Amino acid sequence: GQQVMQIPQYQHVQEGEDFTTYCNSSTTLSNIQWYKQRPGGHPVFLIQLVKSGEVKKQKRLTFQFGEAKKNSSLHITATQTTDVGTYFCAGGGSEKLVFGKGTKLTVNP
Amino acid sequence: EAGVTQSPTHLIKTRGQQATLRCSPISGHTSVYWYQQALGLGLQFLLWYDEGEERNRGNFPPRFSGRQFPNYSSELNVNALELEDSALYLCASRLKGFQPQHFGDGTRLSIL
Repeated sequence: GQQVMQIPQYQHVQEGEDFTTYCNSSTTLSNIQWYKQRPGGHPVFLIQLVKSGEVKKQKRLTFQFGEAKKNSSLHITATQTTDVGTYFCAGGGSEKLVFGKGTKLTVNP
Repeated sequence: EAGVTQSPTHLIKTRGQQATLRCSPISGHTSVYWYQQALGLGLQFLLWYDEGEERNRGNFPPRFSGRQFPNYSSELNVNALELEDSALYLCASRLKGFQPQHFGDGTRLSIL
C-alpha cells in the first residue's frame, strides 16, 4: 500500500535557525497536506498543495510540492519558540489520507 | 462554528475490557476518520466512515470497530483491550473531496 516517509524524525534548533522537513511518497500523490501538532494538542491543518511544482508561503513557512508529485517539503525561516511541535505531511486523494510519522521540532531560546 | 468534539477526554480500562469512544463531527461534515496515536508514534489510520458506511479500515484487528450514526456522529469500539492499545485516539471530520481534516482533541485511553 501507499507509504509516506518523513525525515528527519526529530530536529532541534536554536531560535533563529532555519528548519526543513521532507516528505516522500512511494506513489504519486493527488495532493499533499501539512499539519502541525503542538505538544499536548491535536493536529491542525496548515496547507494543501495540489499542483506539480507548487510552492506556497505562509509568513515564515514555505511549502513545496515536487514536480513528480511524490515529495514535498516544509521550510521554516528563522524559527521561533512558537514553532515547536510535530509537523506531519499527509498524502492522498479524496478518500484516505496517509500520514507520515512526523518531524518533532524543538527550539532552544 | 463548533469543532470536532470527542468524549470522554480520558478513559482508564483494564485488560480484557471493552471501550467506547465517541465523536461528533463539525456540522455539515459527513466523513469521520479515526486514528490511533501511540506515544512517540505518528498517526495510524483506523477507520473511515462516510454517509453511515464504513469506507476503509487500517491494518488493525477486528476487535477495533465502529459505526456512524444518521447524524454523522461516530463511535469507536475496542474489544478485549490489550496493554498496547494505550494511546491517544483522534477523530477527524471533513467535507467530501480534497478537503482538510479537522481533528478533535482526542480521547486518551489508558489500559492498566
